[in-house]
Amino acid sequence: EIVLTQSPGTLSLSPGERATLSCRASQSVSSSYLAWYQQKPGQAPRLLIYGASSRATGIPDRFSGSGSGTDFTLTISRLEPEDFAVYYCHQYGRSPWTFGQGTKVEIK
Amino acid sequence: EVQLVESGGNLVQPGGSLRLSCSASGFTFRTYAMHWVRQAPGRGLECVSAISSSGHTTYYTDSLKGRFTISRDNSNNTLYLQMSSLRPEDTAVYYCVKASGSWYDGVYFDYWGQGTLVTVSS
Repeated sequence: EIVLTQSPGTLSLSPGERATLSCRASQSVSSSYLAWYQQKPGQAPRLLIYGASSRATGIPDRFSGSGSGTDFTLTISRLEPEDFAVYYCHQYGRSPWTFGQGTKVEIK
Repeated sequence: EVQLVESGGNLVQPGGSLRLSCSASGFTFRTYAMHWVRQAPGRGLECVSAISSSGHTTYYTDSLKGRFTISRDNSNNTLYLQMSSLRPEDTAVYYCVKASGSWYDGVYFDYWGQGTLVTVSS
């Protein structure tokens, strides 16, 4: 099983600041089959990024993904009030498909 | 607009059974694989089960040990999860999730339902 470890656990930032979230895999993620999701309290997760760096439909360009192999990053260039949420990475290249434990981006 | 609406979640005693349903609309249901993903209270996300677009091939996470059965009715655009021998550790919100392709492997999850809560407790 590929274990995904996200860091930091919590990121305290102010609106307008840049957020950098990390996801490290215990084994190489094949073909960059790595996605990122955003989840707000009481809501379902929403797809942000797939294929490590492709933005999903309707996702603002302040969200960007990068990385390959075992190290991946989600960057939010300038935090908007609606961006404060929990973010999960997800590898879908090898079953069992797994998620990271999440990074909470909170208002400082 | 893609919509996935789950139903069937409830409070059930340990050892009991439950069937979850997911009604899909806004896309050609029969051409996409579907997944069930669960989230225990205050916890992360876990892939539980998956089914190919045709319904002929299924997947289950090892920890289920044959207690759950996934199925689909492509004529009625509905996904199911039959759950039996339920345990307290199965308590979670269960999400119906659309895959990005017809096969359930190598696909990301592009649309999620709002989830249905299953509580296993005496």
